[in-house]
Amino acid sequence: QKEVEQDPGPLSVPEGAIVSLNCTYSNSAFQYFMWYRQYSRKGPELLMYTYSSGNKEDGRFTAQVDKSSKYISLFIRDSQPSDSATYLCAMEVNTGNQFYFGTGTSLTVIP
Amino acid sequence: NAGVTQTPKFRVLKTGQSMTLLCAQDMNHEYMYWYRQDPGMGLRLIHYSVGEGTTAKGEVPDGYNVSRLKKQNFLLGLESAAPSQTSVYFCATRTGGTGELFFGEGSRLTVL
Repeated sequence: QKEVEQDPGPLSVPEGAIVSLNCTYSNSAFQYFMWYRQYSRKGPELLMYTYSSGNKEDGRFTAQVDKSSKYISLFIRDSQPSDSATYLCAMEVNTGNQFYFGTGTSLTVIP
Repeated sequence: NAGVTQTPKFRVLKTGQSMTLLCAQDMNHEYMYWYRQDPGMGLRLIHYSVGEGTTAKGEVPDGYNVSRLKKQNFLLGLESAAPSQTSVYFCATRTGGTGELFFGEGSRLTVL
């Protein structure tokens, strides 16, 4: 069993839709949870960074962490064609050096 | 401000050849990482460094070596390239043990 599971998609939605991206994980010791966005042929860039359980909002993006269910989500409101990218979840135990990445979900927002 | 720069961006090798990928950062970050990204596999850690002169193995270190002689540079070497090392390689940095990873734009390596 992988440490982090993420549905690869692809996911295709119309512009303006609400998008929900999800990851599950098996290691209950994970404390730091991240979402990265990766455009084609580019490096990943950080979207959201959260510690432990709860919600975090930044503009059109909301990250949710449910440690009891070992489940994290990223919601994108009013999706735009510029949101078309691959979204990677990542998590970490503590101040260590091993990030665990999901395989990424490919999202296309159709104008 | 370049951030994290990887060279070369593209390279084609024959089996058995050697090469070095260079990662250079201008953010004065202590921690540097080399990942490979393959379809359906996500990002996998090859080696990392927590400071100048230090290196450590990650999840998939076999067939690779690294060096961190200067704080701003992290080199990834392939001594005898194999087709299984065809991948996109990403360098990443961060200030300390927590916080955001900053990625380079990637180096696409094909081994024939």
